[in-house]
This record gives sequence, C-alpha cells and structure tokens, in this order.
Amino acid sequence: QSVLTQPPSVSAAPGQKVTISCSGSSSNIGNNYVSWYQQLPGTAPKLLIHENNKRPSGIPDRFSGSKSGTSATLGITGLQTGDEADYYCGTWDTSLSAGVFGGGTKLTVL
Amino acid sequence: EVQLVESGGGLVQPGGSLRLSCTVSGFPFSTYWMSWFRQAPGKGLEWVANIKQDGSEKYYLDSVKGRFTISRDNAENSLYLQMNSLRAEDAAVYYCATNSIGFFDSWGQGTLVTVSS
Repeated sequence: QSVLTQPPSVSAAPGQKVTISCSGSSSNIGNNYVSWYQQLPGTAPKLLIHENNKRPSGIPDRFSGSKSGTSATLGITGLQTGDEADYYCGTWDTSLSAGVFGGGTKLTVL
Repeated sequence: EVQLVESGGGLVQPGGSLRLSCTVSGFPFSTYWMSWFRQAPGKGLEWVANIKQDGSEKYYLDSVKGRFTISRDNAENSLYLQMNSLRAEDAAVYYCATNSIGFFDSWGQGTLVTVSS
C-alpha cells in the first residue's frame, strides 16, 4: 500500500487531455514539494515535473503540474501514443523521514 | 552528459548479502544528495535510502533499516548500497538517482537483484 494514492489507470484519445491525481496528507504533499516521473516500458524513470509545477529542460509544455492542499495533479495535453507509460508522483514525508511515492498510473492513449 | 551506472546486482540466497555500486560522471557528485530506489517486478517505485553530500545524514525505508547501509566515496564519484540479510521481498531492480531538494532528477539504468534459493 503506497503512502500516496494515484488511480491505477487512465486513458484518452490522441490529441486529448488527461489528468492524473495524487493524494497524500499534511506530512507529505501538504508540506513538501511534489514531483512527477514518467516511466516508459523497460526504462528508468524520468523526471517530468519538480517543485509542484516546474518542468526540467527538455520537457514539453504539454506536461503541467499543480498542487492544492494535500493533493497534486499532473496534466498532459495533446496526447501522443509515445506518452503511453506509467506515471508516478513523489514527495518527502516529514513524519516518516522518507521519500514516498504513489503506486503509479498507467496511461493508455487509445 | 550526466551518467549514473549501477552495478553489483545478481542472484543471492535469502539471508545473503550484496553490495551495489553507482558510478557517476558529468556532474559534481560531491554537491548532491543521492538516493537509491527499487522496483519489484510489475510493481511501483519505492524509495529505499538517501545520503547527504558529505555522508553525515542518511535516511532509510523502514523495512530496510538495520539491514541496508548507504554510503558514498566522493573522491571516487561513487555511491553504494550494502544489503545484508536479504529477503525475497527485496528482489527488485535497484536504481540510483541524484536527489535535489524534493525531487530526483537523474537516474541510472538499474541493476537487478534476485533473492532466491
């Protein structure tokens, strides 16, 4: 059971928009930055969003992040088949003194 | 180019030990916190441990406390994970990653640890 809660799967058609939610508590999301990672099949995770809503160099602006209270959301617009991957949210948990992640969300682009 | 290369994975019997290494290049290793992660087959990402730039602070996942030890050698640009008393549930691909404030920006390709008799 993951500390952060994500939906197991989401799907949408090419060109459409999708959002992935990530729910936590005051000891993690509520008081720390949230980051998001994309993991394509058979590869290592890749940082998509850091500090709630910042994109690293090279990440297209189709990807966006937001945070409100103890929840965060990843948004992806203009979906492409190449976006099919597992997406993870992560943050630090101050009470646990540990990194915590969601269980991952599998994105299917129909 | 930033590179992180893990090594040291393999097959080990329950109760056995392994030492994973992560050799890095392309960035100032001594200025970064570093983390280890793992991912069991078909499962999600799990943070395992992290270590401060000078090794003075270390944090661990509860289930590995007392069994795993994270360490680093800044002169050798290397990160380590000593894993003792291994259990079946420790079997996973282990990744090292740079650990900026609240996020993990660069990742290695992973090394597979199999725990089985």
